[in-house]
Amino acid sequence: DIQMTQSPSTLSASVGDRVTITCRASQSISSWLAWYQQKPGKAPKLLIYKASNLESGVPSRFSGSGSGTDFTLTISSLQPDDSATYYCQQYSNYRTFGQGTKVEIK
Amino acid sequence: QVQLQESGPGLVKPSGTLSLTCAVSGGSISSSDWWSWVRQPPGKGLEWIGEIHHSGSTNYNPSLKSRITMSVDKSKNQFSLKLSSVTAADTAVYYCARVVVRGVISGMDVWGQGTTVTVFS
Repeated sequence: DIQMTQSPSTLSASVGDRVTITCRASQSISSWLAWYQQKPGKAPKLLIYKASNLESGVPSRFSGSGSGTDFTLTISSLQPDDSATYYCQQYSNYRTFGQGTKVEIK
Repeated sequence: QVQLQESGPGLVKPSGTLSLTCAVSGGSISSSDWWSWVRQPPGKGLEWIGEIHHSGSTNYNPSLKSRITMSVDKSKNQFSLKLSSVTAADTAVYYCARVVVRGVISGMDVWGQGTTVTVFS
């Protein structure tokens, strides 16, 4: 099984800050990685697919990068609406989610 | 646009079988996409359960594989999940989702609102 490890588990940042979340796979997954945003009581929302492709309708302040085992999700200028939990998901071999990163606004 | 809606009992007894259905509207289940189930225990992260294609092909989470059955009903444009021998650890919000294929698999782009299933005697 492929394990996905996100860091940090929680982060607190101010509006306008640049925020980076890291996701590491236990083995190479090429670029088969997606990022999701989930707000309390809501279903997840697809942000990024194939590591760096922005889903239609998602603000351009979100970006993804990486390949192989190391990936990042970057929010270039944090907005109040970005307060949520973010999950990475590999889809190279079945599907596995990371444990999540909770982003809080200071 | 495609919308998904889960339905099924909210309470299941231990050792029983959890049965959920996801109705697809605004699109055809017979597209090139896959149809998936994901669950989230209270206060915890997301767990992929499995997925099915309209052809009947399935992929299941290896940790749950012995207890899962998924099926597609093309006449009703819906797909279903059965999870047998449930325990309290199966208590969760269950989501259905579309795994969109845009030439290649491109993530889960449409989700149902989720349905809470509690295993309780």
